[in-house]
Amino acid sequence: AQRVTQPEKLLSVFKGAPVELKCNYSYSGSPELFWYVQYSRQRLQLLLRHISRESIKGFTADLNKGETSFHLKKPFAQEEDSAMYYCALRRNSGNTPLVFGKGTRLSVIA
Amino acid sequence: EPEVTQTPSHQVTQMGQEVILRCVPISNHLYFYWYRQILGQKVEFLVSFYNNEISEKSEIFDDQFSVERPDGSNFTLKIRSTKLEDSAMYFCASRSRESQETQYFGPGTRLLVL
Repeated sequence: AQRVTQPEKLLSVFKGAPVELKCNYSYSGSPELFWYVQYSRQRLQLLLRHISRESIKGFTADLNKGETSFHLKKPFAQEEDSAMYYCALRRNSGNTPLVFGKGTRLSVIA
Repeated sequence: EPEVTQTPSHQVTQMGQEVILRCVPISNHLYFYWYRQILGQKVEFLVSFYNNEISEKSEIFDDQFSVERPDGSNFTLKIRSTKLEDSAMYFCASRSRESQETQYFGPGTRLLVL
């Protein structure tokens, strides 16, 4: 079975401070990892995925298979980053669903 | 940019009543999903659907639930006899054949069972 753990329900940081949202997973196979973001009153939207190794809105995330982690990082937080962030995993085969963590609410304080 | 749409945005129903939640996936997408999120809990997978049949379903998706693609655009989730614990936000998602990774989510339907 797959599991995604986001240990922090709420993370508050000051504007300009670095951000790290933690995500750990358990899955015996080769997973695909994602970060989804949900801004206030908006839908869930894909922020980034590990296979593309991209930086979106200044956020990056590196898959660490040894530590089974996929932490989301940003060097300088902005107020508009305040949102709910969900880490998700998908089995790397066929039409498989996403398994989500419980989410972390990021609050960036001016 | 095309988006997944869901109706209604909110629904209140009495326990034991049937509800149908509607979704219009992005037009060229072929894979469809329903997820739900009970207040304060994680987003949970219910069912996936492709080529007019269920691909996978979770333990939550019992005999009270069904899905249908009645025409070329709509994708519906029916709960036959709602229970209090069905109260949740229900999200529809879709993806294209080409993009195995990226699921696009609708805004959700908030269902309240009294």
